[in-house]
Amino acid sequence: DAGITQSPRHKVTETGTPVTLRCHQTENHRYMYWYRQDPGHGLRLIHYSYGVKDTDKGEVSDGYSVSRSKTEDFLLTLESATSSQTSVYFCATSGGRHEQFFGPGTRLTVL
Amino acid sequence: QKEVEQDPGPLSVPEGAIVSLNCTYSNSAFQYFMWYRQYSRKGPELLMYTYSSGNKEDGRFTAQVDKSSKYISLFIRDSQPSDSATYLCASEGGTSYGKLTFGQGTILTVHP
Repeated sequence: DAGITQSPRHKVTETGTPVTLRCHQTENHRYMYWYRQDPGHGLRLIHYSYGVKDTDKGEVSDGYSVSRSKTEDFLLTLESATSSQTSVYFCATSGGRHEQFFGPGTRLTVL
Repeated sequence: QKEVEQDPGPLSVPEGAIVSLNCTYSNSAFQYFMWYRQYSRKGPELLMYTYSSGNKEDGRFTAQVDKSSKYISLFIRDSQPSDSATYLCASEGGTSYGKLTFGQGTILTVHP
């Protein structure tokens, strides 16, 4: 698992509430990524980080923001959750940009 | 059209069969190709990683890339029930350097 943990592992929330998911890594990898996985769409990149305080948007970034204040932590925030954001969220890290290692996932349900 | 297309299956084979999993991609700039295996309710784990065209073998697994036809394959020899999982292909390169583009994933079941 490349020393990647995600918290919480499961969350149920209501539409309109803010939600923050945390990814923590112990590998000192420079690059970190947030993906969502949905049936019929596979894994899609939300945001990624190429260093502390350096982040950029991915394919499906609308409605999400991220922050990275330390090498080991990458936070994903849903400012106002919607039902379309019900998904499984995966964090990934990479030391060399090509091979990415994934965390166990967070299952989020927005009612 | 998605940049990486993968038949979602499901694919069901008997134990011991040779399995062929395939993807096509449309972005000529892709140069790095990966296969991930994902068990139910787990995160994807990297199986194989190849650069440009050619074959790469690791035990029972062989990854093949044909850049001329934009075709990516994963072969599993002597398949086992423990190989039952979803297999995801991914590609990277060009302006998407550092960002993986995934196929939908193929669900594989190997029955005893």
